[in-house]
Amino acid sequence: ELKVEQNPLFLSMQEGKNYTIYCNYSTTSDRLYWYRQDPGKSLESLFVLLSNGAVKQEGRLMASLDTKARLSTLHITAAVHDLSATYFCAVDDTGNQFYFGTGTSLTVIP
Amino acid sequence: DTGVSQNPRHKITKRGQNVTFRCDPISEHNRLYWYRQTLGQGPEFLTYFQNEAQLEKSRLLSDRFSAERPKGSFSTLEIQRTEQGDSAMYLCASSFPSGGAAYNEQFFGPGTRLTVL
Repeated sequence: ELKVEQNPLFLSMQEGKNYTIYCNYSTTSDRLYWYRQDPGKSLESLFVLLSNGAVKQEGRLMASLDTKARLSTLHITAAVHDLSATYFCAVDDTGNQFYFGTGTSLTVIP
Repeated sequence: DTGVSQNPRHKITKRGQNVTFRCDPISEHNRLYWYRQTLGQGPEFLTYFQNEAQLEKSRLLSDRFSAERPKGSFSTLEIQRTEQGDSAMYLCASSFPSGGAAYNEQFFGPGTRLTVL
């Protein structure tokens, strides 16, 4: 079964700092998605990465994909409080179902 | 609102009762997925439909669970003889794969939170 691991699981960072969330997976898929989830809410799509070397940026978030290393990163630049949420990566290896990581709970402290 | 909708949003039931959830996908999406999410975990795949055909089921979907999508539009997920371990958020997602299924972004509904007492 495909395994998806995220680290760290919990991240507390000060406003204005930079940090990276890592997503490792156990298959050779080149389809990876990042989602955000606020407490008690559903998942919001952030990024779709479909090839090796893909890089997407939106505001203070930037996601990249290295399919050879089976690694995706979500980089946070100059964090602000509004970014506090849980972030999930999901791998799609067959085009049918997503395998989600356990999530990274991010808290940005003023 | 043209997003994925789910009803009810919350359901509290007693152990042993049956419950049914409904999901209305984005109208032009031909794929519909059900996931279960427990506290502190990522969503776990349960099953998915392409149009009205149920194409894949997870081993998590025990005999007490059944899902339908009779006309390829909305879907229902029924849990019979609920157990306390069924307490979770049940998420529905829809997609319209393109590019040979290379692009299969799934859009999630708000979820139904089930509490089994």
